[in-house]
Amino acid sequence: GEDVEQSLFLSVREGDSSVINCTYTDSSSTYLYWYKQEPGAGLQLLTYIFSNMDMKQDQRLTVLLNKKDKHLSLRIADTQTGDSAIYFCAESIAGNKLVFGAGTILRVKS
Amino acid sequence: EAGVVQSPRYKIIEKKQPVAFWCNPISGHNTLYWYLQNLGQGPELLIRYENEEAVDDSQLPKDRFSAERLKGVDSTLKIQPAELGDSAVYLCASSLVTGSNEQFFGPGTRLTVL
Repeated sequence: GEDVEQSLFLSVREGDSSVINCTYTDSSSTYLYWYKQEPGAGLQLLTYIFSNMDMKQDQRLTVLLNKKDKHLSLRIADTQTGDSAIYFCAESIAGNKLVFGAGTILRVKS
Repeated sequence: EAGVVQSPRYKIIEKKQPVAFWCNPISGHNTLYWYLQNLGQGPELLIRYENEEAVDDSQLPKDRFSAERLKGVDSTLKIQPAELGDSAVYLCASSLVTGSNEQFFGPGTRLTVL
């Protein structure tokens, strides 16, 4: 079945890079996504990557995809206190269904 | 451009009472989703609509949950009767039918069942 796993917690210092990792199981996933959720808010789409790509860069965000290992990562350069939030990895499977991980809490210390 | 609108933002009810949540998607988005998010978990799909048709409701507990999107625009999700375990955040999302399937989420309705 479909399963997406993420580490629960990451703590970094302001200005450092953050790397959030995710593994997924469905090899037929066409797109993989990173969402951000701040307290009391809905999910905000940060970026996504098509499964035939291995890297995508968007300003401070870099997504790396290792399709062989079914591993996805999100790197945030120059992490700021405003980046503190929960980050969700999701895979898109048949029928436009998104399967989410449980989320990684990112804490940025000033 | 207005985002996905949900109401109410918070709802507290006693068990066995009915409750309804409303969602208005982004204008022009033909696909609408209802998700359930338990504390410390990612969202889980309850139902997906394409226009007014429910095309995936396999995860919707049909004994107590129902949903409608009569005119293919806004949607209502209902629980009757509510149980203690229904306490969660109910998220609505919408998207266009495109290859990348970018889904845009509303702020959610936080339900507390006492």
